[in-house]
Amino acid sequence: EVDLVESGGGTVQPGGSLRLSCAASGFDFSVYWMNWVRQAPTKGLQWVGYIKGDGSETFYEDSLKDRFTISRDNAKKSVYLHIDNVRPEDTAVYYCVRHATFDKWGRGTLVAVSS
Amino acid sequence: SYALTQPPSVSVSPGETAAITCTGNRLREVSLCWFQQRPGQSPLLIIYQLNRRPPGIPARFSGSISGNTATLTISGAAALDDGDYYCQTWDGRTALFGGGTKLTVL
Repeated sequence: EVDLVESGGGTVQPGGSLRLSCAASGFDFSVYWMNWVRQAPTKGLQWVGYIKGDGSETFYEDSLKDRFTISRDNAKKSVYLHIDNVRPEDTAVYYCVRHATFDKWGRGTLVAVSS
Repeated sequence: SYALTQPPSVSVSPGETAAITCTGNRLREVSLCWFQQRPGQSPLLIIYQLNRRPPGIPARFSGSISGNTATLTISGAAALDDGDYYCQTWDGRTALFGGGTKLTVL
């Protein structure tokens, strides 16, 4: 069964950095694009970016590209999201999501930016 | 910038048909998806490539497009269909989500 489990969320101070992880299982991980999508409290979905299956290409939502970095380790079946210089508006649940059709979603990890 | 526009809310009586619209100037049928998000849960893909359903999604969910507007139709709405619905497409290498529509079945 396909499963995606995010981790690494928590409370972080403005200006800090953090790395979120997503562990995948139940499918051929290295074949699939992986996305990160976030959802601020009571708000809609915002795509953060994607990484291709072999890690050869990443692309980001334009307003986030300077502070967000997606990477992956296919041997560990994991994808990562690094956020630099976090801001209060980065407070959200962060989901890792499989494929260009967003066909499988993790349960999400909550990031709260607060001093 | 390019945006997908959805109505904030739609209400429907149990057993009736609900229609949720998604408007955008450059909708691409090949990449149009719909997601359901029940309270407290992760989003769930219910329609992809405009009108295809993943395994396990009931046939009462269907998708269509006319001009610049895509429509998610839910036939025979039930209480378990309550939740938020999002459309999504790709604009080049950028993924776009609509603002979401809260469906209330009452």
